[in-house]
Amino acid sequence: GQQVMQIPQYQHVQEGEDFTTYCNSSTTLSNIQWYKQRPGGHPVFLIQLVKSGEVKKQKRLTFQFGEAKKNSSLHITATQTTDVGTYFCAGTGAGSYQLTFGKGTKLSVIP
Amino acid sequence: DGGITQSPKYLFRKEGQNVTLSCEQNLNHDAMYWYRQDPGQGLRLIYYSQIVNDFQKGDIAEGYSVSREKKESFPLTVTSAQKNPTAFYLCASSLGGTGAGELFFGEGSRLTVL
Repeated sequence: GQQVMQIPQYQHVQEGEDFTTYCNSSTTLSNIQWYKQRPGGHPVFLIQLVKSGEVKKQKRLTFQFGEAKKNSSLHITATQTTDVGTYFCAGTGAGSYQLTFGKGTKLSVIP
Repeated sequence: DGGITQSPKYLFRKEGQNVTLSCEQNLNHDAMYWYRQDPGQGLRLIYYSQIVNDFQKGDIAEGYSVSREKKESFPLTVTSAQKNPTAFYLCASSLGGTGAGELFFGEGSRLTVL
């Protein structure tokens, strides 16, 4: 079945440093979504990418979808303590209807 | 306010007991889902339903059962056949079908088996 791998599993950064999490799929994806889960909370949708090579920005967050539609990344510029949480990618395989989640990257920000 | 309501938030169960987790949405979404989350793991799909009176097994359906008698409601029963039921359970819904758009999650139900 489809697998979505996400690295790193944990990341500790000093406030103000940048952060990147990477997502790789074993199969071509029709789309990829990103979610953020705050400690003790539930996942909240951030964005969906559909097109090959697509890049989208939300303030300090930059999302990319690879040209082959098998990988994606989330980059946060100048992290803040409010960025703390676990970031999940979730992909839908081409021709599939099931969303498969990566295991997430847990971000800690040291003030 | 539109959203998804899960209850109870915390639940304790003795081994051998069935327990039902409630999930209600007033977003008028067609699709509803149940996910299980374990520490350090991603979200794993238990069951999903795209329309009333229809549901499909996800990746880890064994030991669980669901029903979808109303559009707004998608309860999950954790049966005694589930070998390791202690986990955080998340219900979600989406406007479109599975994999087609944003998932809206409830606040979750944390089940502990004593």
